[in-house]
Amino acid sequence: AQSVAQPEDQVNVAEGNPLTVKCTYSVSGNPYLFWYVQYPNRGLQFLLKYITGDNLVKGSYGFEAEFNKSQTSFHLKKPSALVSDSALYFCAVRGPLGNQGGKLIFGQGTELSVKP
Amino acid sequence: EADIYQTPRYLVIGTGKKITLECSQTMGHDKMYWYQQDPGMELHLIHYSYGVNSTEKGDLSSESTVSRIRTEHFPLTLESARPSHTSQYLCASSESGRGQSYEQYFGPGTRLTVT
Repeated sequence: AQSVAQPEDQVNVAEGNPLTVKCTYSVSGNPYLFWYVQYPNRGLQFLLKYITGDNLVKGSYGFEAEFNKSQTSFHLKKPSALVSDSALYFCAVRGPLGNQGGKLIFGQGTELSVKP
Repeated sequence: EADIYQTPRYLVIGTGKKITLECSQTMGHDKMYWYQQDPGMELHLIHYSYGVNSTEKGDLSSESTVSRIRTEHFPLTLESARPSHTSQYLCASSESGRGQSYEQYFGPGTRLTVT
């Protein structure tokens, strides 16, 4: 079965420092992987995706993620964190082809806190 | 501007009332989804639709029902609200067919509280 794990409930980073939010996945076949961000009382906002191609994927707001097939990981990164990056981050994998409309299977979320 | 809308944003209602959560998108997408986000923050798929007149149940058992009479509209209805229905409900849409981009786009959510 497809699944996603975010091992850290919370990540604390000082402004200006690099940040990493971890995600590991388990899929049968090629993974379609996504990162979303959720600000308080808002919906999810798409950041980036890996479907195929380069392992380093660049997305919105200076975020990037590295797909590592051998470690089954898709960690989200940013070279220099901003206070405004503080939010809830979700990693997701697309469900099996043809299954439930291509639903997304989400990790449990990681709360990122960036302190000035 | 292409977007996905949900109304109301917040709803407090008494037990036993019938409610409809509205979701509309101007993205031109065929696929639409409803997710329930529980207090532990995980999201669970409760309904989805491939297009007009298509509705299916998701992973999480839900007493709600949905309809898809128009491509852009995917409302969710609870016939008799209960406190256990208190949650955040997120609507999403995505492309389909050849060349689709696969990501889903989400509305702002409806936070429902049943007293």
